Amino acid sequence: RKEVEQDPGPFNVPEGATVAFNCTYSNSASQSFFWYRQDCRKEPKLLMSVYSSGNEDGRFTAQLNRASQYISLLIRDSKLSDSATYLCVVPNQAGTALIFGKGTTLSVSS
Amino acid sequence: DTAVSQTPKYLVTQMGNDKSIKCEQNLGHDTMYWYKQDSKKFLKIMFSYNNKELIINETVPNRFSPKSPDKAHLNLHINSLELGDSAVYFCASSFRDRDIGELFFGEGSRLTVL
Repeated sequence: RKEVEQDPGPFNVPEGATVAFNCTYSNSASQSFFWYRQDCRKEPKLLMSVYSSGNEDGRFTAQLNRASQYISLLIRDSKLSDSATYLCVVPNQAGTALIFGKGTTLSVSS
Repeated sequence: DTAVSQTPKYLVTQMGNDKSIKCEQNLGHDTMYWYKQDSKKFLKIMFSYNNKELIINETVPNRFSPKSPDKAHLNLHINSLELGDSAVYFCASSFRDRDIGELFFGEGSRLTVL
């Protein structure tokens, strides 16, 4: 299994839709997980951190399933401004750097 | 004030040339990184420095040489540029021992090798 794997998409959804992205990771010892957002031709920015079973921030919910080594990001009531690439991120084995997935592209249309 | 700043933002050069990218952070972080994002948008760690000490050196050709004069600066020098070096190079910084998950990235330096 690769260190971090994501479905690349693209996911094309209408405004108001609910969309979920999945991510699997290989390091069973990982204690923390992250979702970053990257807009076109911009730098990545931290969206959410996940340290236990999950985290919720407004329309965004991240869930963690340690047994399956699986993380998800759910976006409810999608907005046009949610269009971006969402990157699943886990620390490397030594905990000295972050390993980024290839990202899932979301396009929200009106 | 820009937290993590990189220069230049755009760089177009010929194969075989040598070029440098500079990075500075004013967040007081103790760790800085270079990431490479290729044409397929895959973001990959290259180097990491903690308080001027190299702690990560991924499988990167030795044509790439990072230099950290102090913990607020991390520069990247590339010798004998090749076509495959064309990418966006992102500098980032963080605190090593707290909240490693929050990396602050610069805006990226887009390198095109002709």
